[in-house]
Amino acid sequence: DIQMTQSPSSLSAFVGDRVTITCRASQSISTYLNWYQQKPGKAPKLLIYAASSLQIGVPSRFRGSGSGTDFTLTINSLQPEDSATYYCQQSYSALPLTFGGGTKVEIK
Amino acid sequence: QVQLVQSGAEVKKPGASVKVSCRVSGTTFTSYEMHWVRQAPGQRLEWMGWINAGNGNTGSSQKFRGRVTFTRDTSASTAYMELSSLRSEDTAVYFCARRGLGHMYFFDYWGQGTLVTVSS
Repeated sequence: DIQMTQSPSSLSAFVGDRVTITCRASQSISTYLNWYQQKPGKAPKLLIYAASSLQIGVPSRFRGSGSGTDFTLTINSLQPEDSATYYCQQSYSALPLTFGGGTKVEIK
Repeated sequence: QVQLVQSGAEVKKPGASVKVSCRVSGTTFTSYEMHWVRQAPGQRLEWMGWINAGNGNTGSSQKFRGRVTFTRDTSASTAYMELSSLRSEDTAVYFCARRGLGHMYFFDYWGQGTLVTVSS
């Protein structure tokens, strides 16, 4: 199985800050990497697919980058509604699809 | 708009089975794969498997093979996940999710989740 490791596991930042979350795959996955946002008690919401493609309706302050084994989700100008847990997911190997451990973003 | 609506919370005893439904509206049900993902309390998301809503083909994670069954009712635009031989470690929120079209595996719409509690 492809292991996905996210860092940090949690962070706290001010409104307006730029936030960066990292996801590392245990082997090269090209750009088969997606990012989701999950708020407490809710289902995940797709933010970014194929490493850098913004899902329709997602604010442009969310940006994904990377390829191979190292990926980044950047939130430019953090907003109060961005308080959530963020997960990466690899889709290079479909058996099984795997998720990162999550990064909890809190607003100071 | 696309909506995935799941059945309500369940409480089951160890060894029992649970069947969760996921009714899809606002989209052509048979054009997509429906996947199932679970999340144990405080844990990461865990992919379980999928069903092709058009032809009924299925696939699952090795972890659940032999214990999980995916079915669908095209007349009701509903997908089902049945998990048997339940144990306490199966206590989790179970989500259905639609795989977006194309060769990439991403999930663009999700159900609201169904809490399954396994307790004696």
